[in-house]
Amino acid sequence: DSGVTQTPKHLITATGQRVTLRCSPRSGDLSVYWYQQSLDQGLQFLIQYYNGEERAKGNILERFSAQQFPDLHSELNLSSLELGDSALYFCASSARVAYSGNTIYFGEGSWLTVV
Amino acid sequence: AQTVTQSQPEMSVQEAETVTLSCTYDTSESDYYLFWYKQPPSRQMILVIRQEAYKQQNATENRFSVNFQKAAKSFSLKISDSQLGDAAMYFCAYRSPDGGSQGNLIFGKGTKLSVKP
Repeated sequence: DSGVTQTPKHLITATGQRVTLRCSPRSGDLSVYWYQQSLDQGLQFLIQYYNGEERAKGNILERFSAQQFPDLHSELNLSSLELGDSALYFCASSARVAYSGNTIYFGEGSWLTVV
Repeated sequence: AQTVTQSQPEMSVQEAETVTLSCTYDTSESDYYLFWYKQPPSRQMILVIRQEAYKQQNATENRFSVNFQKAAKSFSLKISDSQLGDAAMYFCAYRSPDGGSQGNLIFGKGTKLSVKP
């Protein structure tokens, strides 16, 4: 158990809908990351937050957004869903962004199926 | 931009034997971090081992060890005394010293390891 908690574990929704994925980082971790894993694209970085502020942005679509709350949990919002958004979405956390050698620990992922 | 290449899509090993998974990377940075993550059928990403580029000594974690060749930009993972539970997808990952703009972790496409009883 990495200590990173993600909910829901599985989600099935229809095209055009909006979903919210939730993540609680490891206790004490200030950085939260979101990654998407799909069959054709592999593991791709979406976005990173550090202590409530956006730190880095990757291949995140405009239909997707995220935020990190004062209690450090994070949510990834996916809207206007398309079939191609079906993927495993990982949340991960690490202690401090200042030290990039910090190991990034992953949650178990949220399986999103868009039908 | 940094890239990570895993040239072996699939590998197979007999239980109790040793197997080596290959990883090469491309970077112009002199300081960085390298990781191996394991993804079993449960799909969870589990850290196996990490290596700091400034350290010449190869990292070791129980049955897992790496062969880090900085000049050759090579970072292979050796699994000794393979067990059935080692069967998984293994990902090599790179991290820039300043975190980088590419999301801190750049992953290879993975190597699927099968362990035969």
